[in-house]
This record gives sequence, C-alpha cells and structure tokens, in this order.
Amino acid sequence: NAGVTQTPKFQVLKTGQSMTLQCAQDMNHNSMYWYRQDPGMGLRLIYYSASEGTTDKGEVPNGYNVSRLNKREFSLRLESAAPSQTSVYFCASSEGPFRRAFFGQGTRLTVV
Amino acid sequence: KNEVEQSPQNLTAQEGEFITINCSYSVGISALHWLQQHPGGGIVSLFMLSSGKKKHGRLIATINIQEKHSSLHITASHPRDSAVYICAVRPSNFGNEKLTFGTGTRLTIIP
Repeated sequence: NAGVTQTPKFQVLKTGQSMTLQCAQDMNHNSMYWYRQDPGMGLRLIYYSASEGTTDKGEVPNGYNVSRLNKREFSLRLESAAPSQTSVYFCASSEGPFRRAFFGQGTRLTVV
Repeated sequence: KNEVEQSPQNLTAQEGEFITINCSYSVGISALHWLQQHPGGGIVSLFMLSSGKKKHGRLIATINIQEKHSSLHITASHPRDSAVYICAVRPSNFGNEKLTFGTGTRLTIIP
C-alpha cells in the first residue's frame, strides 16, 4: 500500500502564481487533512474533510481553497501565492477523528 | 503560552540510554498523539492515547489526565531513533477534527 501520496515534493512559485497540491490515500479513510509546518511552530490545520463531499476550515484557511474530489483525493489550491505561504505542507488521513492519522511525505513550497 | 509545551526542545544522548520526552498541555483533551518526524521530513503516528499507558517495541507512552501531562519513553535508544518527536492533543471543547501540536523535541542518539 502506498498510504498517503502527495505531489509535488518541492515547488517554487512566484508571488501571485497559482498551484494545486494533490493528495491521495488508498486506505479508504473518511477524514483527510491539510496542515502547514513552519519553523518554530507546530503543525497547523488549514482545512479538513470529514467525509466525501464535505470540507471545513481549520486554524489558518486564508489564502487557500480545497476540494474533496472523491473519497481518495483531497487537493489544496493556492489561488494567488504569497511569500507568507512559504512552508512545508502535509496531507494526512484517518478513519475518523479519534483514530490514528497517516501522513504524506510533505511538499516544500517556496514563494518568492 | 502555547496550549501544548514539549520539553526538552533538544536532546542528545548516547546509544543505549533511556530517553524521556515530556508533553504538557493546558486544555481539557479527548486524546493525545505522539508522532515521529524523520530527518527526511516524513511523519509517522506512534501512539494515540486517552488514558494510562501504551507500549510498542522499545517505545512507551504514558498520560496523566489529571496533571495534563504525557511522556514518551524510549528504552535502549539507537541512532535510528534520531528524529523530531511531536506531541499533539485533541481539545475536548472544539470540533473533533482539531489537533493542537507542540513544536517538537529533536532527539539525537550518538553511536
């Protein structure tokens, strides 16, 4: 099993450009999450999806949009990238909120 | 003050030593997670617990709900245990999906 697969692993964007981070899981999990990790700070939740067809904001949703395309896939879109969005992004999935979470390998995004 | 505090921030030890990493939190919780982040960046969930103690191989996690404190212990430490260990809590007064993360403890085991 691949688990949680994120693409791309690295990306450099210019300010104002847009891009979509892709995430797919093959564990038939209901819940999927997008986090960002910044130096000196804990992981912070951007958006989550508790089930196919639903999405909700987390702690830091501004500047991002998400799509739960189907049960497997949960994408994160930056419509107009800003330097403040330079971060490492992690996708995760779990069977539910009280279950163990599985993480992707991360996407290192730099906005210049 | 962060809701989740870990100590120490950095820990260097010799191979074979017994390791303890601490996590204190300030809110009521429904669950606590311990995660391991490898030097390459990948994150692995080690434990989820809401009471008592769990053991997996050389790793032991304990939690004291009354004292709002959890510890992660590693017995017979090995260089491959070198990683960042992250504590995360699920506050009981928020929607079920929120996890609040500590900033991590960087562990280095010297051969």
